[in-house]
Amino acid sequence: DIQMTQSPSSLSASVGDTVTITCRASRSISSWLAWHQQKPGKAPKVLIYKASSLETGVPSRFSASGSGTEFTLTISSLQPEDSATYYCQYYNNYSPWTFGQGTTVEIK
Amino acid sequence: EVELLESGGDWRQPGGSLRLSCGTSGFTFDIYAMNWVRQAPGKGLEWVSGLIGSGRSTYYADSVKGRFTISRDNSKNSLFLEMNNLRADDSAIYYCVRGMDNSGSGSPVWGQGTTVTVSS
Repeated sequence: DIQMTQSPSSLSASVGDTVTITCRASRSISSWLAWHQQKPGKAPKVLIYKASSLETGVPSRFSASGSGTEFTLTISSLQPEDSATYYCQYYNNYSPWTFGQGTTVEIK
Repeated sequence: EVELLESGGDWRQPGGSLRLSCGTSGFTFDIYAMNWVRQAPGKGLEWVSGLIGSGRSTYYADSVKGRFTISRDNSKNSLFLEMNNLRADDSAIYYCVRGMDNSGSGSPVWGQGTTVTVSS
């Protein structure tokens, strides 16, 4: 199965900062990558799918890029409501899904 | 609007059984793959099982293989997870998650989750 390695495990940044989270796949997954945001006590929600497509309704300060084995999620102009845990995910209809370990974003 | 609503979560003793259900609306259910993902208290997300729109192909995590069975009823737009021989480490919130359609389009959509507790 494909393994997803996400870094960092946590970060602390100030309002207005730009932060980047990285996800690496153990082998090429083309663009079959999603990014999810989860706030405490809530279900995750998708931010990005197909590596770089912004889900409807998600603020444009969220962006993502990558293909193959290296992927990044960037949050520009960090807002207080962005405090959450972020997960990358390999997804495909014909094989097991895999999640990264998660990155907790704290607002200073 | 796409909606997924899980039910069936409960408390069971180790070795017990439980059946989770996920009712859906707002999309053409029978062309989408569906999955179960769980999250143990304070832990990350763990994929459990998935199946394609027709239900003919199913996939399981090694941790549940042989104990859990995923199925779907396309006439009722519903997904199920039959859980047998439950263990303490099966305790988690279980989420129903939509995958992609048959053509590879669509983004993941999450339900709100249902809680399973396994303890003596």
